[in-house]
Amino acid sequence: EAEVAQSPRYKITEKSQAVAFWCDPISGHATLYWYRQILGQGPELLVQFQDESVVDDSQLPKDRFSAERLKGVDSTLKIQPAELGDSAMYLCASSNDRYEQYFGPGTRLTVT
Amino acid sequence: GESVGLHLPTLSVQEGDNSIINCAYSNSASDYFIWYKQESGKGPQFIIDIRSNMDKRQGQRVTVLLNKTVKHLSLQIAATQPGDSAVYFCAENGSSNTGKLIFGQGTTLQVKP
Repeated sequence: EAEVAQSPRYKITEKSQAVAFWCDPISGHATLYWYRQILGQGPELLVQFQDESVVDDSQLPKDRFSAERLKGVDSTLKIQPAELGDSAMYLCASSNDRYEQYFGPGTRLTVT
Repeated sequence: GESVGLHLPTLSVQEGDNSIINCAYSNSASDYFIWYKQESGKGPQFIIDIRSNMDKRQGQRVTVLLNKTVKHLSLQIAATQPGDSAVYFCAENGSSNTGKLIFGQGTTLQVKP
């Protein structure tokens, strides 16, 4: 069964450092989402791509976060500089329509 | 604003019993709803979805009910098993036509042996 891949699974970084997460969606899925999930809460959308174009980045803190999907396949989410409040699970999801989304295992970020 | 909420943060049931997890949504424009199961340290796993032109949909051991009049969604799990223990989230697509999902806070289901 096809799955969304994410790496790393865990990341510990010091505040003010840069950190990057990678996502490989299910093959053929044109839509890719990055969500942030704070412990005990539901995921919140950070950015959505349709192929290589950003569809929605209204909730992305653009002063420190950036995301790209250059060839419309895999994607990278970067934080620079990381802050203590960025500690969370970062989830990637993909979809081949505007409905059912499939999530990856997530990257657990801890900022110290 | 748009929000999706769940009535109970925690639900404890006996193994073999049926479970009902409830969710209230606020956006009348939502036309798609989905339930996810999330185990500790893992990403959300799709369970079942429903579109607004339906009021009931059944899967394997799960049923989703949608009441648009009172903006209420529920997930029923038949013969609950220990492996069903997890956090369950409902989500809606709100007024967006891009596929963006708005998640609720989650209900933790605890299954007692």
